[in-house]
Amino acid sequence: DVKVTQSSRYLVKRTGEKVFLECVQDMDHENMFWYRQDPGLGLRLIYFSYDVKMKEKGDIPEGYSVSREKKERFSLILESASTNQTSMYLCASRSILGPPGSGEQFFGPGTRLTVL
Amino acid sequence: ELKVEQNPLFLSMQEGKNYTIYCNYSTTSDRLYWYRQDPGKSLESLFVLLSNGAVKQEGRLMASLDTKARLSTLHITAAVHDLSATYFCAVGSDKLIFGTGTRLQVFP
Repeated sequence: DVKVTQSSRYLVKRTGEKVFLECVQDMDHENMFWYRQDPGLGLRLIYFSYDVKMKEKGDIPEGYSVSREKKERFSLILESASTNQTSMYLCASRSILGPPGSGEQFFGPGTRLTVL
Repeated sequence: ELKVEQNPLFLSMQEGKNYTIYCNYSTTSDRLYWYRQDPGKSLESLFVLLSNGAVKQEGRLMASLDTKARLSTLHITAAVHDLSATYFCAVGSDKLIFGTGTRLQVFP
């Protein structure tokens, strides 16, 4: 079974703090993704990575950066946390070598971040 | 810009009844996914639909895809309480665009 883990389930930070959210997958997947989930807005893509040291902006990258130094780990960084970044953050990974054309993403348990 | 719309947003239904959730998307896509999310939990993959006319079934859930109409349906047959959850459709290949979700509540 694919396993995607995230460093924290719940996190409380103060405005202006630098925040690191870590995601690790154990299936040697090439692609990794960070989403945020807000009520009424569904999931929105923040950043994704096709492979190690590669990154692409998603739909809402402002205020975030990412790092992928190793294939299994994808970090989301909030350089200076703000209250409007209070949200549920979900990490996902995907293999490009799976069943033909499947492209299925596997999700981690999520980190609920509160910025005070 | 690809947009994905689901309806209804909220569905309260009695056990034993049938209902359908609709997912419309705005531009051509060759893949559509259905996910389930329980409260406080992450997303679990239900179905991957890859071609026009694709139909997949698992238990009381059946998903179908009409790429010409840009429409997917998730049909619930004889609902049970355990199906209570939020259901998302998502469209795309490399990047997924998610619908806003349908919160399903099944009551006795």
